[in-house]
Amino acid sequence: DADVTQTPRNRITKTGKRIMLECSQTKGHDRMYWYRQDPGLGLRLIYYSFDVKDINKGEISDGYSVSRQAQAKFSLSLESAIPNQTALYFCATSEWRNEQFFGPGTRLTVL
Amino acid sequence: EDQVTQSPEALRLQEGESSSLNCSYTVSGLRGLFWYRQDPGKGPEFLFTLYSAGEEKEKERLKATLTKKESFLHITAPKPEDSATYLCAVQAGGSQGNLIFGKGTKLSVKP
Repeated sequence: DADVTQTPRNRITKTGKRIMLECSQTKGHDRMYWYRQDPGLGLRLIYYSFDVKDINKGEISDGYSVSRQAQAKFSLSLESAIPNQTALYFCATSEWRNEQFFGPGTRLTVL
Repeated sequence: EDQVTQSPEALRLQEGESSSLNCSYTVSGLRGLFWYRQDPGKGPEFLFTLYSAGEEKEKERLKATLTKKESFLHITAPKPEDSATYLCAVQAGGSQGNLIFGKGTKLSVKP
């Protein structure tokens, strides 16, 4: 079984809809991250969490919110999706400041 | 401002033709430099972490090296299955452990 899982893997939605992307991990790591990846722009950090009570904004948090429901679960929400939020979204985990391990990604299309 | 620049953007090799990928960085006190491999539509896969100038790490046909200003990923006698995008990321010493990613080098190895 994969250590970091993301659901859904693909999602097509319409402008203005609320969307939630979910991430679960079995690695036992405290730290979890949400990134988006766009062609030509690389990976950019949206939000990160060091534990259930510690959530921080990343480089591009506008238009997104997160929830850390448990050590193993970290969800990303788009309250009102817009077309320029079309991207690949990745969840990652790490132990302290060590290397990060990524999930398989969610391909989101906003029409 | 912390920054990571990878070159070239794309590299085409014949099977068996060795080459190197470059990752140049400016960061306030490097804590670690990370290399990842990413296949199309998948999450980045961790390869190496380098912590200090002069350090080298090897895995199969890949060898990563680090200087005070850049890192190289050397690929010896590549095979078609080495085709992927290779990402470099840096972690600043004063940061909370977040990674700053380069835009990647897309490697294609033709048989």
